[in-house]
Amino acid sequence: QVQLQESGPGLVKPSETLSLTCTVSGGSISSSLHHWGWIRQSPGKGLEWIGSMYHSGSTFYQNPSLKSRVTISVDTSKSQFSLNLTSVTAADTAIYHCARQKSSGWSLGFFDFWGQGALVTVSS
Amino acid sequence: EIVLTQTPLSLSVIPGQAASISCKSSQSLQYSDGKSFLYWYLQKAGQSPQLLIYETFNRFSGVSDRFSGGGSGTDFTLKISRVEAEDVGFYYCMQSAQLPLTFGGGTKLEIK
Repeated sequence: QVQLQESGPGLVKPSETLSLTCTVSGGSISSSLHHWGWIRQSPGKGLEWIGSMYHSGSTFYQNPSLKSRVTISVDTSKSQFSLNLTSVTAADTAIYHCARQKSSGWSLGFFDFWGQGALVTVSS
Repeated sequence: EIVLTQTPLSLSVIPGQAASISCKSSQSLQYSDGKSFLYWYLQKAGQSPQLLIYETFNRFSGVSDRFSGGGSGTDFTLKISRVEAEDVGFYYCMQSAQLPLTFGGGTKLEIK
């Protein structure tokens, strides 16, 4: 069974960069059937998709609402993928989930396995 | 952006009775091969969302057959045939027909 685990600082200062890493076990991060994604959850905005990336880096999609502040990278040698969100504000305070995404037809598809989530607070 | 509207916002169900949750999309999620890219998740207290149903009606591995999904186009439904205490939590629909991927606002299920 695939397992994912988020790690990173729980507190980030305003205007700085939020950085989280997701470690994948029990399955290959180089799977041709999957993308790897980030979703966040806050009381005010519910579940919000941040972005998804293929292991080779050949495809990357992000939510335009985040105004190009998102970078996702994949390190296949460590079976990890990472999220960087720049210029954070209090509105970026949320639980950040990493997840495996299985392709469905021609679409990016659905998230079938999720990490437990990491709370990140933006505050000075 | 596709907006998914879930109703009701909450429901309280007697164990053993059935429950139904609606998810209405602002645009059709159905495509030429007949698939609808609509999924259902359950988030229990203190946990991450867990996949229940994919592509409208397919149960994910290990999901009880008490859960069933249906619908097409813009109207979708999740049904729980006999609610149990372990079904308590928030239910979300999600679509992948168009970027950005979006989720419904959630439906809270509690036991009477």
